[in-house]
Amino acid sequence: DIQMTQSPSSLSASVGDRVTITCQASQDITNYLNWFQQKPGKAPKVLIYDASNLETGVPSRFSGSGSGTDFTFTISSLQPEDFATYYCQQYDKLRATFGGGTKVEIK
Amino acid sequence: EVQLLESGGGLVQPGGSLRLSCVASGFTFSSHAMGWVRQAPGKGLEWVSSVSGSGGTIKYADSVKGRFTISRDNSKNTMYLQMNNLGAEDTAVYYCAKVNSLRVPSGWLYEYFQHWGQGTLVTVSS
Repeated sequence: DIQMTQSPSSLSASVGDRVTITCQASQDITNYLNWFQQKPGKAPKVLIYDASNLETGVPSRFSGSGSGTDFTFTISSLQPEDFATYYCQQYDKLRATFGGGTKVEIK
Repeated sequence: EVQLLESGGGLVQPGGSLRLSCVASGFTFSSHAMGWVRQAPGKGLEWVSSVSGSGGTIKYADSVKGRFTISRDNSKNTMYLQMNNLGAEDTAVYYCAKVNSLRVPSGWLYEYFQHWGQGTLVTVSS
């Protein structure tokens, strides 16, 4: 099974900061990597699919990059509504694995 | 508008069974794979199971294989998760999710969980 290692597990940042989260797959997953945002008590919401494609309606301050085993998620300028937990996920042929999550908190 | 509505959660004793349902609307149900994802209290997301649009292909996480059964009734726009021999480790919010398929610039057909329900809580406790 593919394992997804996400780091850091939490971070503190201020509004306007640039935030970067990394995700490493245990084997080559080409571009089959998605990023989700989850707020307390709510369902996850997809932000990025295919490693770098922005989901419709998602602000352009969110971006993703990478391929193979190493991926990066960036928020270029953190906004108050961005404080949440973020998950990477690989999905291929009906199987999925999530990273452990990164909680982005207010500094 | 895509809507996914889970139901069937509740309190069940260890060793018991429960069947979750996910009723879908706003899209052609039979054309999309679907899946279940769960989240234990205070923990991260865990994929549970997925089923193809026809129902002919099914995958399970190792943690539920042999105990859970996913199915779908395309005539009722409904997906199910039959959960047997439940343990405390199965306590979680269970989300159903719709898979979106699209052609990406590389030319591949790419699939991902695009829409999610609001979740239903399953508590396994005596």
